[in-house]
Amino acid sequence: AQSVTQLDSQVPVFEEAPVELRCNYSSSVSVYLFWYVQYPNQGLQLLLKYLSGSTLVKGINGFEAEFNKSQTSFHLRKPSVHISDTAEYFCAVSPFSGNTGKLIFGQGTTLQVKP
Amino acid sequence: DTGVSQDPRHKITKRGQNVTFRCDPISEHNRLYWYRQTLGQGPEFLTYFQNEAQLEKSRLLSDRFSAERPKGSFSTLEIQRTEQGDSAMYLCASSTDGRSSGNTIYFGEGSWLTVV
Repeated sequence: AQSVTQLDSQVPVFEEAPVELRCNYSSSVSVYLFWYVQYPNQGLQLLLKYLSGSTLVKGINGFEAEFNKSQTSFHLRKPSVHISDTAEYFCAVSPFSGNTGKLIFGQGTTLQVKP
Repeated sequence: DTGVSQDPRHKITKRGQNVTFRCDPISEHNRLYWYRQTLGQGPEFLTYFQNEAQLEKSRLLSDRFSAERPKGSFSTLEIQRTEQGDSAMYLCASSTDGRSSGNTIYFGEGSWLTVV
């Protein structure tokens, strides 16, 4: 079975400051890793994904994430945030085995960007 | 590519009534997923289809819930005899089944259900 833990439920940060949203996962099999963003009353939008290869993955809106296999982590970072980045962020994993594509999500982290 | 569309976006119903949600996936996607999301939580997997075949159902999907995808295109999720605990956002998503896509799933805007 797989599980995802997002270590911070809320992250307040000032505009133009850097931010890191932390994600750890547990799995007995290899997984794909994802970050999604959800704006109020909307569905989820894919930010970035790790499939294989380089452990540093770049996504949309200036976000990037680094896969660390030994620490089973996939933290999301942005060097300078904007007010418009205020949203809910979800880390998710999808196991290789079975190729179902099913996603297991963390609880989410609310990013609050203050002016 | 028009994205995944869901209808209705919002539904308020009285306890005990039946409700049905519809999802139209991205046209070339043969996989379709249903998730449920309650306030302050991440989405939880309910079920998924490969073409018209329902291949997996979560234990969260009680007997009151039924999902169909009769022609392998759009899907419906019906909840019978709704309960207040069914209040949530129901998310539909779709993907291809190729490993090269990394099983990337694209979500719709969601259908909010409020049971009063």
